[in-house]
Amino acid sequence: AQSVTQLGSHVSVSEGALVLLRCNYSSSVPPYLFWYVQYPNQGLQLLLKYTTGATLVKGINGFEAEFKKSETSFHLTKPSAHMSDAAEYFCAVSGQGNNRLAFGKGNQVVVIP
Amino acid sequence: ETGVTQSPTHLIKTRGQQVTLRCSSQSGHNTVSWYQQALGQGPQFIFQYYREEENGRGNFPPRFSGLQFPNYSSELNVNALELDDSALYLCASSLASGVGDTQYFGPGTRLTVL
Repeated sequence: AQSVTQLGSHVSVSEGALVLLRCNYSSSVPPYLFWYVQYPNQGLQLLLKYTTGATLVKGINGFEAEFKKSETSFHLTKPSAHMSDAAEYFCAVSGQGNNRLAFGKGNQVVVIP
Repeated sequence: ETGVTQSPTHLIKTRGQQVTLRCSSQSGHNTVSWYQQALGQGPQFIFQYYREEENGRGNFPPRFSGLQFPNYSSELNVNALELDDSALYLCASSLASGVGDTQYFGPGTRLTVL
């Protein structure tokens, strides 16, 4: 079975500082990896996804993530946090012959002015 | 292009009742997946429908059932509601069910069971 681990449910970051959210995956097949963002009382919005090819993936709103097979990681970063980045972020994996997603528990990001 | 829509937005039921949630997929998408998101947790896969047939199921009991219609819209039915069924139910559609096909989510239905 595929799974992802996101540590540290709440992440506080100062406005203008680096945002780093960690995601480690477990998969017996080449994984497809996703980051989704959820704003309060809303559904999930796709930030970015990794399929194959380039390991550095750029997404929306200035976010990017790097796939590192040797570390089984897909960490999400943004160089400079903005107040509008306050939301919950989920890492997800799929790939075992279908596109069903297995999600991590999420990171609640708080941006401090 | 219309995105994924869900109805109703909120719903309150009592234990033992039955509920039906609805989802309209994004134009051109033939696959619908349903997820349950309990408070403070990540979404959990319930089941998926591809061209009106169930195409995989997560670890949920049979009282969770679904349908997909010829226009690819979908329903999630839950019988004999339990308190633990209180959650945000998310519907997602995709072009197909193949590996890497991106899922696009609706805003969800918040179900409260009293």
